[in-house]
Amino acid sequence: GAGVSQTPSNKVTEKGKYVELRCDPISGHTALYWYRQSLGQGPEFLIYFQGTGAADDSGLPNDRFFAVRPEGSVSTLKIQRTERGDSAVYLCASSFDTSGETQYFGPGTRLLVL
Amino acid sequence: AQTVTQSQPEMSVQEAETVTLSCTYDTSENNYYLFWYKQPPSRQMILVIRQEAYKQQNATENRFSVNFQKAAKSFSLKISDSQLGDTAMYFCALLEYGNKLVFGAGTILRVKS
Repeated sequence: GAGVSQTPSNKVTEKGKYVELRCDPISGHTALYWYRQSLGQGPEFLIYFQGTGAADDSGLPNDRFFAVRPEGSVSTLKIQRTERGDSAVYLCASSFDTSGETQYFGPGTRLLVL
Repeated sequence: AQTVTQSQPEMSVQEAETVTLSCTYDTSENNYYLFWYKQPPSRQMILVIRQEAYKQQNATENRFSVNFQKAAKSFSLKISDSQLGDTAMYFCALLEYGNKLVFGAGTILRVKS
């Protein structure tokens, strides 16, 4: 596709449930990033992939959060045992590589944990 | 640690006028990149302008230009001939070599007719 796509657009779940958020990057982009944006704040880094491997996962808040990119394209962010504090917009971005290239963002997934 | 500060939570400007959004940052690196992104209510983060720290010339993109002061670690965005469609949240962001963007808290810009 022409841009980064994310599904679902919105996700409502109950506390304690498991959720998966999907990101489809721009074709040919080797680097993929996940950010979390709480209401009224700037996005905060979670994890980034160079190819299939997670090159930096220092932003993941705890071990309930995990992300994969098995074929070096689509990525899935997985959240186990969701908590109300996980409610936020989850943004995905991709770039051609990591040498200072511009990151292009998807529309985000708004997650609401009840 | 890298930090980005946007000291103006909200700004307003009349249509067709000029407005400047402020941003300061802190980094120990000599080579880095700075960005302004726009986020309208649709949530889509859109690149406005990009500046490489090693370039002395200020970046411009049509009605958007920056004033990059490396020694002062300042990176302000000037929007000329403001349009109603410029209404959005604007984020300043810092990218050091490699990976993650560090964002400021954002400035809400409202363009009034």
